Amino acid sequence: DAGVIQSPRHEVTEMGQEVTLRCKPISGHDYLFWYRQTMMRGLELLIYFNNNVPIDDSGMPEDRFSAKMPNASFSTLKIQPSEPRDSAVYFCASSQAGLFYGYTFGSGTRLTVV
Amino acid sequence: AQSVTQPDIHITVSEGASLELRCNYSYGATPYLFWYVQSPGQGLQLLLKYFSGDTLVQGIKGFEAEFKRSQSSFNLRKPSVHWSDAAEYFCAVGGQAGTALIFGKGTTLSVSS
Repeated sequence: DAGVIQSPRHEVTEMGQEVTLRCKPISGHDYLFWYRQTMMRGLELLIYFNNNVPIDDSGMPEDRFSAKMPNASFSTLKIQPSEPRDSAVYFCASSQAGLFYGYTFGSGTRLTVV
Repeated sequence: AQSVTQPDIHITVSEGASLELRCNYSYGATPYLFWYVQSPGQGLQLLLKYFSGDTLVQGIKGFEAEFKRSQSSFNLRKPSVHWSDAAEYFCAVGGQAGTALIFGKGTTLSVSS
């Protein structure tokens, strides 16, 4: 299995632009999570899905952030408009049967908003 | 409130010496506890997990952790550290299926020769 695949690995964009981060979970995994990692705040849960349905989006910072999971093999996290304070590493993770097997993380997308 | 505290931001250990990374949690239900490791520029890799049963759990790369309910702790240990263990280590807590993991802020491990 190729693991959790995130794209792009790096993204540099100008303030005000739309940014879309992509994630392909491991086949057969029914949970998908989006986390954001910064030096100041560590790893923060943004949103997670179960069977493609959003379960908890209370960690999404504000209306500029949105996430979708149109099918079991693809999810997107969109920021529109982007701001410099959105600069962070965004991780996608997937799991099977909730927590029992732990999460498998992707390699992350490093977002820089200038 | 549910939380994870890793008191040590940065630890330096000599190669071959023993290691203990501390983790304290606050969780309202029966906790499921995890340790992950992150190498620079990489995602997080699962080291070990505790759900129930024996309070001493073994993981990959020679790591182990001990769950102490009375102290709300889940400390990570390794008897002899290798230079390749230098990385950032995260403790995490969660509950039943359908909840998400809450992570600590991590401890950076440096290994000196």
